[in-house]
Amino acid sequence: DGGITQSPKYLFRKEGQNVTLSCEQNLNHDAMYWYRQDPGQGLRLIYYSQIVNDFQKGDIAEGYSVSREKKESFPLTVTSAQKNPTAFYLCASSITMVPFRGTDTQYFGPGTRLTVL
Amino acid sequence: AQKITQTQPGMFVQEKEAVTLDCTYDTSDPSYGLFWYKQPSSGEMIFLIYQGSYDQQNATEGRYSLNFQKARKSANLVISASQLGDSAMYFCAMRVYGGSNYKLTFGKGTLLTVNP
Repeated sequence: DGGITQSPKYLFRKEGQNVTLSCEQNLNHDAMYWYRQDPGQGLRLIYYSQIVNDFQKGDIAEGYSVSREKKESFPLTVTSAQKNPTAFYLCASSITMVPFRGTDTQYFGPGTRLTVL
Repeated sequence: AQKITQTQPGMFVQEKEAVTLDCTYDTSDPSYGLFWYKQPSSGEMIFLIYQGSYDQQNATEGRYSLNFQKARKSANLVISASQLGDSAMYFCAMRVYGGSNYKLTFGKGTLLTVNP
């Protein structure tokens, strides 16, 4: 079955700790994204990557870091510099970022709920 | 800057009836894509339907259709024959294709409840 997996489903972090959220896709998609969702809000873009070894900051990248060493994987690290990290994190992928008859449609994983203790 | 507005925080519909979820958008770019997603209580965002700004016909996907009125800048989602499993948050999103813009801009969502 093709899809996007995220782990863990729930994550608890102590103040001052870095944590890494996993995102893997087997859809052979070139582009991958990380979003953050706060209660009662839509999604906000943290980072995105068009191809392997390339990634760009989104609207709220401060306090986060990513890597894209493999096409299938786009892990997100929430660093201690992120002041308010408690949120629901969603990873997504799309065939490409080039818009052609919906090839830029983003498909999402099941999400990771991060709580800072 | 682009903006998505969903004015209905919550909607109720009877099972088997149709329901329309409103979405208006704001952009000055002529090229853009509009997307609708469903988010059940489990949290996963499920893609429902896509409409390109230059598409001549309204998009349809099974029980979902998108009522695209370009002049009014609206992209309402119509769900026909509602089912109990349709109860979820629904988000409208837009991507503007001009320049190097790669992000989806989301509305705040509408919570749909389907009553038996």
